[in-house]
Amino acid sequence: NAGVTQTPKFQVLKTGQSMTLQCAQDMNHNSMYWYRQDPGMGLRLIYYSASEGTTDKGEVPNGYNVSRLNKREFSLRLESAAPSQTSVYFCASSVGSGANVLTFGAGSRLTVL
Amino acid sequence: AQRVTQPEKLLSVFKGAPVELKCNYSYSGSPELFWYVQYSRQRLQLLLRHISRESIKGFTADLNKGETSFHLKKPFAQEEDSAMYYCALRAPLITYKYIFGTGTRLKVLA
Repeated sequence: NAGVTQTPKFQVLKTGQSMTLQCAQDMNHNSMYWYRQDPGMGLRLIYYSASEGTTDKGEVPNGYNVSRLNKREFSLRLESAAPSQTSVYFCASSVGSGANVLTFGAGSRLTVL
Repeated sequence: AQRVTQPEKLLSVFKGAPVELKCNYSYSGSPELFWYVQYSRQRLQLLLRHISRESIKGFTADLNKGETSFHLKKPFAQEEDSAMYYCALRAPLITYKYIFGTGTRLKVLA
């Protein structure tokens, strides 16, 4: 049982390049999330998807787009990467109702030069 | 707006000493509150949630609505407790968003 799988684990980009972070969960969860983790700033929500077919902005959505491809997959796209987007990105999922728990992926470390 | 504040970036204690990691929140209703932990080279994982009123690895946390706090406590720290701890809040029935604090790094010294 893989839980939440993120790819790639590491990526180096040049300013202006684009890339997509992939996330998939096999727990039949309804809700999925993308967070970024920066020193001193903790985890900040970028986008989330409460259920298949819906997406909503979090605290720091600028410079990102998301796609909830199906119930399992939720991708995060950087159209034109900037050094300020250097961070560790975490995907998470939850059942979607009730006092339920977030299950996290292992993280993707992105460096933008 | 919902907000979670963890005032300490780093907390160092000696093994066997009591530990208290502070968490204050801003939310006018009845929130769901959680503590998540990230051990070195491991994924973020749930430590405990207020609704369960449980003790996990010797840690407890009580929701104080009057002080809007959800502090994490352990009477006797162990070296394996060294990790990054995040307090998180969700506003049920309104949003599926989970808002995290900035985290506290706990170092337990031998």
